[in-house]
Amino acid sequence: DVKVTQSSRYLVKRTGEKVFLECVQDMDHENMFWYRQDPGLGLRLIYFSYDVKMKEKGDIPEGYSVSREKKERFSLILESASTNQTSMYLCASSLGQLTDTQYFGPGTRLTVL
Amino acid sequence: AQKVTQAQTEISVVEKEDVTLDCVYETRDTTYYLFWYKQPPSGELVFLIRRNSFDEQNEISGRYSWNFQKSTSSFNFTITASQVVDSAVYFCALSEEGQGGKLIFGQGTELSVKP
Repeated sequence: DVKVTQSSRYLVKRTGEKVFLECVQDMDHENMFWYRQDPGLGLRLIYFSYDVKMKEKGDIPEGYSVSREKKERFSLILESASTNQTSMYLCASSLGQLTDTQYFGPGTRLTVL
Repeated sequence: AQKVTQAQTEISVVEKEDVTLDCVYETRDTTYYLFWYKQPPSGELVFLIRRNSFDEQNEISGRYSWNFQKSTSSFNFTITASQVVDSAVYFCALSEEGQGGKLIFGQGTELSVKP
C-alpha cells in the first residue's frame, strides 16, 4: 500500500512565523505535490516536484516555497505566514509519469492567527 | 481550457438507495485521464479509480460502478445499495498529458447517507 504521511494533522501559528509542512512517502515515487483546499475554491496546486531538487510552480505559488532534498520528502515552507494562508494542506505523490495516480496524505489543517 | 464540473453540490439519500454522482469535463487533449476520489470526514483523499481516454469500458468494483461516455464528456459514478460509511465528499478530477499531468478537480459532491 502507498503511504503518504504528513508531519502534523493540526497546526496553529502566528502571523509572520516561518512554517514548515513536511510530507514523506514510502513508495519510491518520483513526483510529489502540495495542494491547499478551501471551501468554495476546491483543491488548488501550489507546487510540485518531479525529481530531487527539481520543483515547478502550480497555480498559486505566491507566499510559498518548497524543498526536495531527498526523494521521499517534500517540504512546503511559508516564509512569513499570513492569515489568508489558513487552510487545509494536502500532500500527494505519484509513481513516474505526472499523469499517474496521485496518492494523498491525511492533510494538515493550518490556522494562522 | 480544461474544466471539471460536478453540478450536484449535496446529495442526501437513505441507506440502501442507489445514488449517481455526475461529472462532466472539458478538454482539448486526446490523451487524458479521469479520476474519482473520496474524502471522508477525516480529510484524507482516497483514490477510487483512474481511467484513460482510450478506454470507455464501464467499470464495476463491488457496489461502485463508473460510466465513462466520451460523446457527452461525462464520467459518472454510481453507488449501489448505499451505506452510511459512504457518506463523504466525492471529487472527480481530470489530468491531461499536454498539461504536465496537473490534476484539475471538480468542486466535489457531498453525499450524506442516512440510516
